[in-house]
Amino acid sequence: DVKVTQSSRYLVKRTGEKVFLECVQDMDHENMFWYRQDPGLGLRLIYFSYDVKMKEKGDIPEGYSVSREKKERFSLILESASTNQTSMYLCASSFYEQYFGPGTRLTVT
Amino acid sequence: GQNIDQPTEMTATEGAIVQINCTYQTSGFNGLFWYQQHAGEAPTFLSYNVLDGLEEKGRFSSFLSRSKGYSYLLLKELQMKDSASYLCAVRDETGTASKLTFGTGTRLQVTL
Repeated sequence: DVKVTQSSRYLVKRTGEKVFLECVQDMDHENMFWYRQDPGLGLRLIYFSYDVKMKEKGDIPEGYSVSREKKERFSLILESASTNQTSMYLCASSFYEQYFGPGTRLTVT
Repeated sequence: GQNIDQPTEMTATEGAIVQINCTYQTSGFNGLFWYQQHAGEAPTFLSYNVLDGLEEKGRFSSFLSRSKGYSYLLLKELQMKDSASYLCAVRDETGTASKLTFGTGTRLQVTL
């Protein structure tokens, strides 16, 4: 079974803090993705990566950056968290269909 | 870009059949996926269509018409555990990494 894990299920941070969200997959997938999910807006792609050190912007990359130093790990970074980044963050990996991690519910106060 | 439409909510009775529609307008197309998402959980893969026609997988079937930009997910013999959101997603033909664009999801409530 594919397993995608995320470092935290719930996270509370203050405005202006630097936030790291970690994602690890165990299926040797080349492709990894970060989404945020908000009520009424669905899943929106922030960034994705198709190889180590390779990344591409998704639909809403502003305010975020990513890092992929190893194939199994894809990190999402909020350089200076803001309240409008309060959301559910989902990581996924794929060879073809995407497998999702359990999600991190981030609250920025 | 991609534009994907699906109904926001649907209600159906246990044991019945329900059809969830999805329409899309895309600049490129390389397949359509359906995912199920229970409240508070991650989406899980249900089905994939890249050619026109019906794909059947147990109680779930998915249909695609590429010329009409239309798909549906058919759920038979509904069970209470089928209460969830169903997400339609289109794969971008031009991109790398099997990039998907998701609809906002259809919340299905199954009642007794």
